[in-house]
Amino acid sequence: DSGVTQTPKHLITATGQRVTLRCSPRSGDLSVYWYQQSLDQGLQFLIQYYNGEERAKGNILERFSAQQFPDLHSELNLSSLELGDSALYFCASSVEGVPYEQYFGPGTRLTVT
Amino acid sequence: GEDVEQSLFLSVREGDSSVINCTYTDSSSTYLYWYKQEPGAGLQLLTYIFSNMDMKQDQRLTVLLNKKDKHLSLRIADTQTGDSAIYFCAESAPYSGAGSYQLTFGKGTKLSVIP
Repeated sequence: DSGVTQTPKHLITATGQRVTLRCSPRSGDLSVYWYQQSLDQGLQFLIQYYNGEERAKGNILERFSAQQFPDLHSELNLSSLELGDSALYFCASSVEGVPYEQYFGPGTRLTVT
Repeated sequence: GEDVEQSLFLSVREGDSSVINCTYTDSSSTYLYWYKQEPGAGLQLLTYIFSNMDMKQDQRLTVLLNKKDKHLSLRIADTQTGDSAIYFCAESAPYSGAGSYQLTFGKGTKLSVIP
């Protein structure tokens, strides 16, 4: 158990809908990273937050957004969902003082029908 | 640009050593990582190596880094059936001072251990 929690574990929704994925980092970790794992694209970095502020952006679609709250949990919002958004979404947090060690949550499996 | 490549499959007999290979293209990578993913689970950080090191050993795991060839390998000694999983190689972007270490992953190598 990495100490990173993600909810829900599974999510099934229809095209055009909007969903919110939630991540709680390890206690005291200020950084949260979001990654998408799909069969065709593999594991791709989406976005990073550090202590409430966006720090880096990767291959994140404009339909997707994220935020990090004062209690350090983060949410990834996916809107106007398409079939191709079906994937595993992971969040990771990094150890304070050791930012290059990222610990991953169990992931949320999103299925868009 | 960054690109990380790995072979997709490896099959070994229980008790043998496994060697999983990876090549990367970004010579300015700061850290290189190995993660393990078991079916239905998240990614488990196995080990990592700083780019100025050649080798790192951690119990049954040995990581070798050849910076000249941009080649990284993970050796698992005395491979067990519990080692069956997908192993991902990853590199971190060069530290820009902005505190970001986003990872670029390979496609993963599926290790099958034959009893």
